[in-house]
Amino acid sequence: EIVLTQSPATLYLSPGERATLSCRASQSVSSSLAWYQQKPGQAPRLLMYDASKRATGIPARFSGSGSGTDFTLTISALEPEDFAVYYCQQRSNWISFGQGTRLESK
Amino acid sequence: EVQLVESGGGLVQPGRSLRLSCVASGFTFNDYAMHWVRQAPGKGLEWVSGIGWNSGSIGYADSVRGRFTISRDNAKNSLYLQMNSLRPEDRAFYYCAKGSEKWEIPTPLDYWGQGTLVTVSS
Repeated sequence: EIVLTQSPATLYLSPGERATLSCRASQSVSSSLAWYQQKPGQAPRLLMYDASKRATGIPARFSGSGSGTDFTLTISALEPEDFAVYYCQQRSNWISFGQGTRLESK
Repeated sequence: EVQLVESGGGLVQPGRSLRLSCVASGFTFNDYAMHWVRQAPGKGLEWVSGIGWNSGSIGYADSVRGRFTISRDNAKNSLYLQMNSLRPEDRAFYYCAKGSEKWEIPTPLDYWGQGTLVTVSS
């Protein structure tokens, strides 16, 4: 089983600031990593796939990078609607999710 | 428009069984793998099980292997999860989710249902 570890657990930022979220895999997943956003009471929404490709309809302020074991999701300038929980997911060996990073407004 | 609608959740006693269903619409169901993902209230996401487009490939999380069985009926655009020997720690919202790439499993999950709540308690 591939374990994904996300950091930080909670990130406090203000609108307009840059957010950097990390995801580390216990073994290489190549570029087979996706990111999801989840807001309270809603199902997760796919943001990024294959580490750096934006899903349909995702704004350009979201970007992803990394390969192997270390990945980053960057939100260039936070909008009010971006405050949510973010999960990474690998598909190199079936599927597993990270424990999530909560992005909160300062 | 892609829609995934789960049903079958509810309150069940420990050790009993429950069957979840997910009806899909808005896409060619038999082209895509499907998955179940669960989320305990206030907790993170946990992949439960996935099934390939033709049921030829099936996987389970260690936490449910041997107790849960995934299946699909492509003629009915439906996905199922048979849950046996339920435990209190199986309490969660169970989401049905669609794989994003035709004929591939596993993949990113591009559409999700709204979830059905399973509570295991005496």
